[in-house]
Parts: sequence; structure tokens; C-alpha cells
Amino acid sequence: EIVMTQSPATLSVSPGERATLSCRASQSLDNNLAWYQQKPGQAPRLLIYGASTRATGIPARFSGSGSGTEFTLTISSLQSEDFAIYYCQQYNNWPPGTFGQGTKLEIK
Amino acid sequence: EEQLVESGGGLVQPGGSLRLSCAASGFTFTNYAMIWVRQGPGKGLEWVSGISYRGDNTYIADSVKGRFTISRDNSRNTLDLQMNSLRAEDTALYYCAKARGGGSVWDAVDLWGHGTMVTVSS
Repeated sequence: EIVMTQSPATLSVSPGERATLSCRASQSLDNNLAWYQQKPGQAPRLLIYGASTRATGIPARFSGSGSGTEFTLTISSLQSEDFAIYYCQQYNNWPPGTFGQGTKLEIK
Repeated sequence: EEQLVESGGGLVQPGGSLRLSCAASGFTFTNYAMIWVRQGPGKGLEWVSGISYRGDNTYIADSVKGRFTISRDNSRNTLDLQMNSLRAEDTALYYCAKARGGGSVWDAVDLWGHGTMVTVSS
């Protein structure tokens, strides 16, 4: 069974700076990797799919990269509304929708 | 507007059963695979189950296999999750979700409901 590992668990960044979040898979995913943002009391929101394609309505400051087993979500110039928990999810191997444990992005 | 609305959650004793439902609107339900994802209190997201657009392929996570069953009614635009032999570790907010691209569960999720809470406790 595939395992998704996100790092770091918590990332402290100042508004206006860049944030880089990592996700590693225990098996190759090709590019079948998604990123989600979740704020307290809300459902997750799809940010990126296919490792690098922004979902509808997602600002250009969010970008995804990587393939195989190593993936990155980059948020350039952090806005106040970007502080949240971010999850990666693979949909290439069994089980179909394994999530990482999440990275909490907090204000420094 | 695309929308998913879950119902059926509540408090149940260990060993008991619940049936969750999800009503879909604002999109062509019959074109999309559907998924259940849960989130325990203060925990991360866990994929639970998925069903293809026609309902002919279903997938269940190992953690709930043999206890949970997913189904859909394309004539009523509804998705269900029958949960039997519930355990304390099944306590979570259960989200109904829609696959992004179409009929396969092997896909990202682009629409989520607000969730329905299931609490398993004596």
C-alpha cells in the first residue's frame, strides 16, 4: 500500500514571503498528484491536480511541480488567507485516494 | 451552482449501523465518480470509498472493508454509505466528494460537501 509523506509538519512563514511544501510518495505516481487547502471549519479545496495544473479559480501564486515520487507546492508571496493546512493526495496507486498527513502553514 | 449535501450522521453505539446520504445538484451526476472521505477530530483526511459513474465499480479502504458499502442512485442523484459494525475509530466528519474529471475514482476531487458527523460511543 502506498504511503504519502508530507514535510514539514508545520511551516512558519511571514506574509509576502514564499512557502515551499513537500510531498513524497513510496511508489511512483507519474503525475497523478493533487494538492488541497483546508481552513478551520471548512471542507478541503482543490488547488492543483495532475501535479502542476491549477484548479479553476486558483490564484497564480499557487504552483505545483514534480513527478514520480517527489512533489512540491509553492506559494509565492503569501497572503493572509493562505495560512491553512495543505494536503497532498495521490490517485495513481491503491488505495485510489491516499492523502498525506498534512502541512500546517502558519504565520511567522 | 454545484452542490453536495450530506445527511444521516449522528451518535451511534459501538457495533451499531448508520446510513449516510449525499444529495447532488448543479451538475450531471451520472457523469462523475463519487467518493467518501472522512476526517477524525483534529486529524487528517482519509479516503474511505469510491464508486464509478455507473456504479459498476466500487472501492473500499482496507480500514472499513467488510463493514462499509457504497452505492449510488443515478435516477435520484444520490450517493449513500452504509456503515455497519461501527467502531470508536470510525468517529469522524464524513465528506461526500465528486471526482474532477469524470467517471473514474482514480482522480482528484473538485467538489466537497460540508460533511456529516458520525460519533461512535457508548
